[in-house]
Amino acid sequence: NAGVTQTPKFQVLKTGQSMTLQCAQDMNHEYMSWYRQDPGMGLRLIHYSVGAGITDQGEVPNGYNVSRSTTEDFPLRLLSAAPSQTSVYFCASSYGEVTDTQYFGPGTRLTVL
Amino acid sequence: GQSLEQPSEVTAVEGAIVQINCTYQTSGFYGLSWYQQHDGGAPTFLSYNALDGLEETGRFSSFLSRSDSYGYLLLQELQMKDSASYFCAVRINTDKLIFGTGTRLQVFP
Repeated sequence: NAGVTQTPKFQVLKTGQSMTLQCAQDMNHEYMSWYRQDPGMGLRLIHYSVGAGITDQGEVPNGYNVSRSTTEDFPLRLLSAAPSQTSVYFCASSYGEVTDTQYFGPGTRLTVL
Repeated sequence: GQSLEQPSEVTAVEGAIVQINCTYQTSGFYGLSWYQQHDGGAPTFLSYNALDGLEETGRFSSFLSRSDSYGYLLLQELQMKDSASYFCAVRINTDKLIFGTGTRLQVFP
């Protein structure tokens, strides 16, 4: 099993550009989520999904969209990138409820100029 | 609102015992988790407490007191490889996991 994979590993955007961060898992996990990590801020929940076709907002959803058309994939879209979105983005998944062990992907380091 | 408080940094020497505390104020509470993150790496799960008391997993133990809104992670027989950041996280409903700002542990020889 590859576990949780994220692409790209690094990305530089200009303000106003849009892009999609990819996340996939091959463990048949129902629960998936996106976090951003900024220095001194810990991990903040952006969006999450409890299964295909179901998504909901986390703590900091503004400026981001998600969809969950399959169990395996949970892409995160930045609609119009802003410097405040410079961060490291982590995708995570778990088999069932959020209390199950969360498996994190390796992260995407995004810089918005 | 939700808030989790942890010390920003803790230092210790190899072989010692260290305790990392976490206090929380949340609108709901289902359980407390702990995650470890090495520099440049992804967080990895350490433990989860839903009920009061101590959970032990090898050199690591985690404690929860729901009445005090408090928990801690206890690391014994510290090794250099334990140098990392440690995050507490609170499950505030069936679907949301909220993280603290993390405690950086430095282990010295």
